[in-house]
Parts: sequence; C-alpha cells; structure tokens
Amino acid sequence: ETGVTQSPTHLIKTRGQQVTLRCSSQSGHNTVSWYQQALGQGPQFIFQYYREEENGRGNFPPRFSGLQFPNYSSELNVNALELDDSALYLCASSLSGTGTYEQYFGPGTRLTVT
Amino acid sequence: AQSVSQHNHHVILSEAASLELGCNYSYGGTVNLFWYVQYPGQHLQLLLKYFSGDPLVKGIKGFEAEFIKSKFSFNLRKPSVQWSDTAEYFCAVLPGGSYIPTFGRGTSLIVHP
Repeated sequence: ETGVTQSPTHLIKTRGQQVTLRCSSQSGHNTVSWYQQALGQGPQFIFQYYREEENGRGNFPPRFSGLQFPNYSSELNVNALELDDSALYLCASSLSGTGTYEQYFGPGTRLTVT
Repeated sequence: AQSVSQHNHHVILSEAASLELGCNYSYGGTVNLFWYVQYPGQHLQLLLKYFSGDPLVKGIKGFEAEFIKSKFSFNLRKPSVQWSDTAEYFCAVLPGGSYIPTFGRGTSLIVHP
C-alpha cells in the first residue's frame, strides 16, 4: 500500500507567477482534499475533489483551482501568486462512501513566494 | 462559520506526567471530531475520532478523548506521556453532512526525558 505523495517538496516563486502542485492519492482512495497551512497555524481547507468534480470549497479565491484525474491523482493550481500564499500545502486522500472520513495526509509542499 | 480553539499553544511536560489538551468548537449541530498528530519530520496522522456513541474514545498510543456536548469540547488526554509523544497536536471538527473540516491552530507538546 503506497501512501500519499506530493511534489515538489519545496518551491520558490515570485509574486504574480503561477504554480502547480501535485498529489498522488493512497492506493484505493477516490477523494482528495487540499489544505493550506501557514506557519504556526492549523491546516485550512481549500477544496475537495471526488470523481473528478469539486464537491466542497473553503474560503479561498477562484485563483486557487484544482483537478482530479481518473487515477485519482490531483493538482492544485494557484494563479497570480501573492506573498501571503507562502505556506505548506497539504494533500489528503480518503475513501468516500465508507462513512469514516479518515484522511491520509501527504508530506506537503513548502511554497515560498518572494 | 464554525471555529476550533486550542487554548494551549505550547505545553512542556516531563515523562510520566499526565496530559490534557483542550479543544473547544463553535457549532451547534451534529459534529464529527478528530485529533491529529504530527511527529517531527512525519506526516499528519489521525490519532482518534468521534462520530457517535460512547463520548469517550480511545486512540492509538494510549491517547483518549472525551466529547462533552454541553461544553462543545473534545479534550485529548493521556495518563502518562513519553518522550516519543513530542509532537504537534491538532483538533478538527467536521459538521455533520459537510465535507469541510475546520482545524485548530495546534498545540506543540514537548516531553522531556
């Protein structure tokens, strides 16, 4: 059983640029959620994808967008980067329909915007 | 919007001391409650969860938590901590029927040997 993986590990971008972060779900999982974790804070829910559709979104602007692929891997795209977007981005996968809501987190991607 | 408060941001204990980390949430309906732990250099992982039934739930590594509905609380406890319990602990609330969880800001626990 492979765990959740994310790439890249670290990334440095300039304000105004665009970034794509990637996530591979744990084997057998069909749902992916993305979180932003600022320094000293808890994870903040960005959105969730199930069957390639977004089915829940937190309080993030539209420049945060995502995709889920048929193999359940996922991307998080952020356009027009701002300094406040600097954070650890976490991906979590789960199996919907079991009622357990148990999420398995990846190691995260550390994004720095300068 | 719901919120989750973890009042203890930093806790320092000696081994064998008892632990209680507070978690309070603001949401009046049905909730699912979680405690996650992040050991140094590791992924965030589930420690325990409450959905319904017995309000005292037991998790891994000797941790337990009690859901007190009247106090909107879900405090985490362990009778005797070990050095290996040094980690960041996060409480999370998922309202019934929602896909959007809310996490607390976390409590950093340091256990001295």
